[in-house]
Amino acid sequence: KAGVTQTPRYLIKTRGQQVTLSCSPISGHRSVSWYQQTPGQGLQFLFEYFSETQRNKGNFPGRFSGRQFSNSRSEMNVSTLELGDSALYLCASSPMTSGTYNEQFFGPGTRLTVL
Amino acid sequence: SQQGEEDPQALSIQEGENATMNCSYKTSINNLQWYRQNSGRGLVHLILIRSNEREKHSGRLRVTLDTSKKSSSLLITASRAADTASYFCATTRRDAGGTSYGKLTFGQGTILTVHP
Repeated sequence: KAGVTQTPRYLIKTRGQQVTLSCSPISGHRSVSWYQQTPGQGLQFLFEYFSETQRNKGNFPGRFSGRQFSNSRSEMNVSTLELGDSALYLCASSPMTSGTYNEQFFGPGTRLTVL
Repeated sequence: SQQGEEDPQALSIQEGENATMNCSYKTSINNLQWYRQNSGRGLVHLILIRSNEREKHSGRLRVTLDTSKKSSSLLITASRAADTASYFCATTRRDAGGTSYGKLTFGQGTILTVHP
């Protein structure tokens, strides 16, 4: 099976702009989670989607949003970008069979730089 | 905020030596996982241990879990230069309904350097 793919891999934006990141999970995986990684805060959970519903959300401002499509692909959007949004954004998918938590499989990430 | 702490923050060893990393967490968990990350790339899943397990092995990896002390350790035996990476522990919490959702809470990580 192909792994988790994320596009684009690198992105440069300026303050005030918005950005959309895309994630395609492993085939058959219905749960998609997003994480932000920065040198200062480490890895932080953004949100998780399962069957097109946001099931869990981290402590991020409303500028960060996401959605999941019927084919389990997911997008996350950051509006009104700030310098502090520069980070590696990681997407992970999980089979989540029968409500039991399984391991998450991560994509290569999207490196976002805000100038 | 991070769930727990990892110790040490950095570890430097020679090829062939064993590497031990520790992780502590704060809340009741459903399971604990270890991941590896090379140079700011994606995370690679290494091993998952459930809260009712005490020890698990996978190849050169050995993980222990002590829920009474809220701690876990990862042992890499006979290390190789290719093991050089950052290692993170991550937990899923047990919620009131007894079901865990797709939220991992990560430690700060241990940077392991294995010298050839």
